[in-house]
Amino acid sequence: DAKTTQPPSMDCAEGRAANLPCNHSTISGNEYVYWYRQIHSQGPQYIIHGLKNNETNEMASLIITEDRKSSTLILPHATLRDTAVYYCIVLKFYFGTGTSLTVIP
Amino acid sequence: NAGVTQTPKFQVLKTGQSMTLQCAQDMNHNSMYWYRQDPGMGLRLIYYSASEGTTDKGEVPNGYNVSRLNKREFSLRLESAAPSQTSVYFCASSEGTRTGGEQFFGPGTRLTVL
Repeated sequence: DAKTTQPPSMDCAEGRAANLPCNHSTISGNEYVYWYRQIHSQGPQYIIHGLKNNETNEMASLIITEDRKSSTLILPHATLRDTAVYYCIVLKFYFGTGTSLTVIP
Repeated sequence: NAGVTQTPKFQVLKTGQSMTLQCAQDMNHNSMYWYRQDPGMGLRLIYYSASEGTTDKGEVPNGYNVSRLNKREFSLRLESAAPSQTSVYFCASSEGTRTGGEQFFGPGTRLTVL
């Protein structure tokens, strides 16, 4: 089963890029990487997903390594509202405990 | 477009009581899901439904039943509540019948069992 490993917490200065890593070394060839975030106790919010190419949308960029064993979510200009728990998901329903990102003024 | 709605928002039960958590989505999605989230933990899947009329167990189904009433609604029932079921319950939906993918979540129901 492809599960993920994420650092439990990270800090980022406001206005700087936040780079959130995720290890998924047992990922299968047809499994997508999804990223969600959960602000305080709200329901998780979808951010972005990818298979093997890098992806970008209005919220973030997703960089997936060529061997697909790891990925990085990039928030290009972090704001205080980006403080949240970020989940990297490969096994489709397994959210894990994510990375708690704190954006510091 | 309300997205995914859940009722009630808060509930306190006594051990042994029963209740049904309601979930509805107005996005014409095929798949729906129930998760629970305990303090400091990630979400765990209780049950899911890939399409109207079908349901499947997730990681933690014991003590729960579900009904996919129609395409819009997916309810979660606790027949005899236990303190271990104190949690925040999230309902979600996604477009395809291939489950997973981009899921849209409701605001959650905060349940306390005394």
